[in-house]
Amino acid sequence: AQSVAQPEDQVNVAEGNPLTVKCTYSVSGNPYLFWYVQYPNRGLQFLLKYITGDNLVKGSYGFEAEFNKSQTSFHLKKPSALVSDSALYFCAVRDALLGGSYIPTFGRGTSLIVHP
Amino acid sequence: ETGVTQTPRHLVMGMTNKKSLKCEQHLGHNAMYWYKQSAKKPLELMFVYSLEERVENNSVPSRFSPECPNSSHLFLHLHTLQPEDSALYLCASSQKGTSGANVLTFGAGSRLTVL
Repeated sequence: AQSVAQPEDQVNVAEGNPLTVKCTYSVSGNPYLFWYVQYPNRGLQFLLKYITGDNLVKGSYGFEAEFNKSQTSFHLKKPSALVSDSALYFCAVRDALLGGSYIPTFGRGTSLIVHP
Repeated sequence: ETGVTQTPRHLVMGMTNKKSLKCEQHLGHNAMYWYKQSAKKPLELMFVYSLEERVENNSVPSRFSPECPNSSHLFLHLHTLQPEDSALYLCASSQKGTSGANVLTFGAGSRLTVL
């Protein structure tokens, strides 16, 4: 089975500073990787995905992620953090094929706290 | 509003009660999912329905019973639950496909507390 690991339960950053939320993956074959965000009292929302092509993927709300094959990582980044970015972030990888669709496997999530 | 609506948003039930969670999607998707979200744990896939046919139950206890009457509606029937079943239950939908790039759209979740 494919898997992702998010090594940090929580990341703290000051508003205006760059942020990084880490994710590493373990797959057989080519990885299909995703980031989702969960704001308080909401469901998960899709941010971005890597399928193939450029290693730097741009997504919603100014977020981007860098795919690094040699380090098997897919870290989420943003140049300048906002207080409103405070949320729970999930990394995911394409996993089993069920019913004609690939089902993602999610990480444990990383809580991002941006301080004013 | 994501296009996936879950009701109720909050539910408190005793261990002997029977209740149901409801999910409705307005996105024209043909696959629907139930996930369980517990603190500090990865999202747990409970059930997958593709074109209204259940394709995975992922070893979920029988006290959870899903129902998918059509491609827009998904239910999770609950009976004789345990306190450890307290969690946020998330419904999601997607377009069926084998490209591997399928993006899931989630509802806001139903927060379940079992007393």
